[in-house]
Amino acid sequence: GAVVSQHPSRVICKSGTSVKIECRSLDFQATTMFWYRQFPKQSLMLMATSNEGSKATYEQGVEKDKFLINHASLTLSTLTVTSAHPEDSSFYICSARGTVDGKLFFGSGTQLSVL
Amino acid sequence: GESVGLHLPTLSVQEGDNSIINCAYSNSASDYFIWYKQESGKGPQFIIDIRSNMDKRQGQRVTVLLNKTVKHLSLQIAATQPGDSAVYFCALGGPGGGNKLTFGTGTQLKVEL
Repeated sequence: GAVVSQHPSRVICKSGTSVKIECRSLDFQATTMFWYRQFPKQSLMLMATSNEGSKATYEQGVEKDKFLINHASLTLSTLTVTSAHPEDSSFYICSARGTVDGKLFFGSGTQLSVL
Repeated sequence: GESVGLHLPTLSVQEGDNSIINCAYSNSASDYFIWYKQESGKGPQFIIDIRSNMDKRQGQRVTVLLNKTVKHLSLQIAATQPGDSAVYFCALGGPGGGNKLTFGTGTQLKVEL
C-alpha cells in the first residue's frame, strides 16, 4: 500500500512555543490530506482537510489561527500548532488518499506534549 | 448529525478463537465503510473496506459484514492471534467515495494466550 510519512513522531515543547508537524506521501501524489487529533483512549477527530494550493478547510470548533495548515506541494502538508498550551497535548495524525486504489492511508502519528 | 458507535469497548478472546467487533451507524447516506486497526502509539492501519452495494467482503482472516437495513457493520477475525491485539475502529465515508471519514469510538481487542 501507499506510504505516508509523518515527522516528528514525538515532540515535547514549552508552553507558548510553536510546533510544526510534517506529513509526506512517499510514493504517490496527494491533492488532499487530512489532519486528525486523538486523545488517549478516544477516537480520531477530523481537524481539517488540507488542499494542495489552496486554503485548508477546518472542522467546526477548530481554530484555524491556532492550527496552521500548509499544503505547498502534492507530497507535503504541514500542521503548525501555534503558541502551544498544555491542552494542545495530543496525538496528531495525518492521512492521504492513495492514487491507485483510492484508499486513505495514515501516517504514524505525532505525540505532542506541551509542558 | 452523524454518529457512529461500537457495542463493546473491550473484547477479550482466547488465542485461536474467532473475534467479532460490531459497529452501528446512523447516517443512511454513508456508502463506504472501513475497518482500521490501531496499535498503541501508531497511526491507524487499513484492514478491509466495503461499499454499500455489497453486504459481505472477505480478506485474509478477516470478513466485513454490512447490514444496511439496521445500519450495522461488523468485523470478523478468524483464528485470532496475539498480534491482533489492538484498538479497532470502524469509519464511515459519505456519498462520493469516502474522502472525509467519521470514526467510531473504537474497540480494544485483547487476545489471551
